[in-house]
Amino acid sequence: NAGVIQTPRHKVTGKGQEATLWCEPISGHSAVFWYRQTIVQGLEFLTYFRNQAPIDDSGMPKERFSAQMPNQSHSTLKIQSTQPQDSAVYLCASSWTGNNNQAPLFGEGTRLSVL
Amino acid sequence: GDQVEQSPSALSLHEGTGSALRCNFTTTMRAVQWFRKNSRGSLINLFYLASGTKENGRLKSAFDSKERYSTLHIRDAQLEDSGTYFCAAEASSGSWQLIFGSGTQLTVMP
Repeated sequence: NAGVIQTPRHKVTGKGQEATLWCEPISGHSAVFWYRQTIVQGLEFLTYFRNQAPIDDSGMPKERFSAQMPNQSHSTLKIQSTQPQDSAVYLCASSWTGNNNQAPLFGEGTRLSVL
Repeated sequence: GDQVEQSPSALSLHEGTGSALRCNFTTTMRAVQWFRKNSRGSLINLFYLASGTKENGRLKSAFDSKERYSTLHIRDAQLEDSGTYFCAAEASSGSWQLIFGSGTQLTVMP
């Protein structure tokens, strides 16, 4: 089992460009989470899908950020018109659902740098 | 205010000694998870507890939902234990959000 796979590992964009981050959850996991880590805010929850449906996006910035899960094998986090403050490590995690004793497993993250 | 308060923010230990990290919660949490960030930046699951204690090698964790805290004890610290440790809690409201502490930077010295 390769674990949660995130691509790319590093992404550098210019201010105003679009960035798309990819996550492949562990096969069979139907819960997918996105988090963001910055020096200032630490680890922040962004959004959560269950069985591909968006369940909780309360952590997503209201503008420019969107997340999709078009099928059970991958999720994307898209940031439009990137800004320097979007620079962070974006983490994806997955877990089983219906079992509260299952902890989510994390990918290695995508480091986004907006110049 | 912050729902998860992690301390200390930094900790230095000599090899072979031990100490404890602590997370206090401002509200009742359903479960807690402890992570260590490895050299590649990945979050490695250490423990997941809904109650009681768990032990794995030189690490031991406890969670008391009623008293609103969790601890991570490290004994016989080794150089490779150095890194950043995070606690994260699941709120009892039924949300799947993990609320993270601010992390503890552990340095183990020879």
